[in-house]
Amino acid sequence: QQQVKQSPQSLIVQKGGISIINCAYENTAFDYFPWYQQFPGKGPALLIAIRPDVSEKKEGRFTISFNKSAKQFSLHIMDSQPGDSATYFCAAPFSGGYNKLIFGAGTRLAVHP
Amino acid sequence: ETGVTQSPTHLIKTRGQQVTLRCSSQSGHNTVSWYQQALGQGPQFIFQYYREEENGRGNFPPRFSGLQFPNYSSELNVNALELDDSALYLCASSLPANSGANVLTFGAGSRLTVL
Repeated sequence: QQQVKQSPQSLIVQKGGISIINCAYENTAFDYFPWYQQFPGKGPALLIAIRPDVSEKKEGRFTISFNKSAKQFSLHIMDSQPGDSATYFCAAPFSGGYNKLIFGAGTRLAVHP
Repeated sequence: ETGVTQSPTHLIKTRGQQVTLRCSSQSGHNTVSWYQQALGQGPQFIFQYYREEENGRGNFPPRFSGLQFPNYSSELNVNALELDDSALYLCASSLPANSGANVLTFGAGSRLTVL
């Protein structure tokens, strides 16, 4: 069964620091790797995604780095802010299409002022 | 543009009962997926509906069933509730897989507690 392994489980970062969350996948039917952000009481929302025809994608303070040979991808949050405090999930598609996702277990990020 | 709405937001059931959860998809989205999110875990895929038919299923028993209606809204039904069914149930709508658009839009979820 396909799995996505995410680490760390929790992360505490000071305001202005860099938050790094890692994900490893075993197999995936499609090359598409999104990160979702979830605030308490809300559903997950797409934060940023990459298709591995590139090794890196940047959107504002958020960057995905992808290593296809190692089957790993990571999320970097530069200049972390208290408003970034949330749970982050990496995901990968399994058989049947880009809109069927298997999620990692999540990383709870706390950014302290 | 309305997002994904789910009802009810919270409910409490006892073991052995049945529950129905409802979801209205985002305007323009014709595909609905249901996920179960246990406390402290990532969402787990239950099944997906497209054109009113099941279009893929995760590792969930048959007592988890669903429906999609012509207006693309959907229901998740769970029979013979077990304690382990206590979780947040998330509905996500999207365009079809072959549309090239990959974003899942999630609702806020229905939190089910089974006593």
